[in-house]
Amino acid sequence: NAGVTQTPKFQVLKTGQSMTLQCAQDMNHNSMYWYRQDPGMGLRLIYYSASEGTTDKGEVPNGYNVSRLNKREFSLRLESAAPSQTSVYFCASRPLTDEQYFGPGTRLTVT
Amino acid sequence: GEDVEQSLFLSVREGDSSVINCTYTDSSSTYLYWYKQEPGAGLQLLTYIFSNMDMKQDQRLTVLLNKKDKHLSLRIADTQTGDSAIYFCAVRSGGYQKVTFGTGTKLQVIP
Repeated sequence: NAGVTQTPKFQVLKTGQSMTLQCAQDMNHNSMYWYRQDPGMGLRLIYYSASEGTTDKGEVPNGYNVSRLNKREFSLRLESAAPSQTSVYFCASRPLTDEQYFGPGTRLTVT
Repeated sequence: GEDVEQSLFLSVREGDSSVINCTYTDSSSTYLYWYKQEPGAGLQLLTYIFSNMDMKQDQRLTVLLNKKDKHLSLRIADTQTGDSAIYFCAVRSGGYQKVTFGTGTKLQVIP
C-alpha cells in the first residue's frame, strides 16, 4: 500500500493564479481531510469529506474548494491564490473506527 | 471551540527523559493523541489515550492524562537523537470528525 499520496510536493504560484492539489489513498478509507500547517499555529482543518459524495467546511475554508472525486481521491483547489495561502498542506484519510493517516505534504509558496 | 496549547520548544540530552506537555479546554474530549512529525514529512500517530484512562505505556512512551486539570503529557524515556522531531498533541471532541491540533513542540536531542 502506498498509503496517502499527495502531488505536487512543492509549488510556487503568483498571486491570482489557480491550482489544484491532489490527494489519493489506497486504504479504502471513508473520510478524507485537508489541513494547512503554519508556523506556531499547528494544523488547521480546511475541508473534510466524511464519505464519498459529501464535503464539509472546516475551520479555515475561505479561498478554497474541494472535490471528493471518488472514494480514493480528494482534491483541494485554490481559485485565486493569495500570499496568505503560503503554507504546507496535508491531506489525511481515516477509516470508520481508526485514526488519521497523513500524506507527506505539499509545500506551497504564493508570491 | 476547543483550544489545545503546547510549548513550542524542548531541548534534552541524549539518554535523558523528555516530557512534552499539552493542555486543552473541552472537558468532553474523548480521545487524545500524540503525533510525531519528522522534517519534511507528514504526521505519524505515535499513541493515543481514551478519556477514561489515566495512563498508557507503550515501550519508551508513557502518556499521562489529568482530566481534572485538562492536562496531557508524553514522556519519552531514554531519548535518542532519532526522537528529534515536532510532537503534536491532538484532541477529539464534539463528534468523531472534529480533531483539534496543538501548535506542536519541537524536540531537540543533544548528543
